Amino acid sequence: DAGVIQSPRHEVTEMGQEVTLRCKPISGHDYLFWYRQTMMRGLELLIYFNNNVPIDDSGMPEDRFSAKMPNASFSTLKIQPSEPRDSAVYFCASRWTGGTGELFFGEGSRLTVL
Amino acid sequence: QQQVKQSPQSLIVQKGGISIINCAYENTAFDYFPWYQQFPGKGPALLIAIRPDVSEKKEGRFTISFNKSAKQFSLHIMDSQPGDSATYFCAASSVFQKLVFGTGTRLLVSP
Repeated sequence: DAGVIQSPRHEVTEMGQEVTLRCKPISGHDYLFWYRQTMMRGLELLIYFNNNVPIDDSGMPEDRFSAKMPNASFSTLKIQPSEPRDSAVYFCASRWTGGTGELFFGEGSRLTVL
Repeated sequence: QQQVKQSPQSLIVQKGGISIINCAYENTAFDYFPWYQQFPGKGPALLIAIRPDVSEKKEGRFTISFNKSAKQFSLHIMDSQPGDSATYFCAASSVFQKLVFGTGTRLLVSP
């Protein structure tokens, strides 16, 4: 089975540009999470969805960040405009209600904003 | 109340030694306590998890010890190997709620 798939794996952009990160969760999983990982703050939950509906976006740092899940197999995290302090590794993870509670993570998208 | 405090931040252990990482929580509603392992360039992956109805869970060289009254839990890695060198995260949640992660422990097992 394919795991959680994220793209791009690496993104280098200039301050002010729009960045879109993409995630395909594991088929059949009904929860999708977006995390940000930095050395200073560790793993921070940004937002999560259940059945494509955003449940908790309290971790989204500011209005420059937005996330969508138009269907069960695709989600995006958008940063517009990007700033150097957004540089981090962004992880997508999914899980299934009927499972053990285990989160399955993608390999992450490393974002560098110059 | 939503925090999970993890220590130490980093740890160096000799091959064959025991690695111990500790976590503490405040929210008594938490009932699921997993540990995740992350290698460089990869996403975290579940290593082992425990629910509060037991005080210990062992899987191979990895053991979780859970102290409900103290609101603490720890990961023990017996006979640590260089291949165990990674970052370890503890986490906690209540039923089907979001996982709250600790800040991570970078473990280096020297040959």
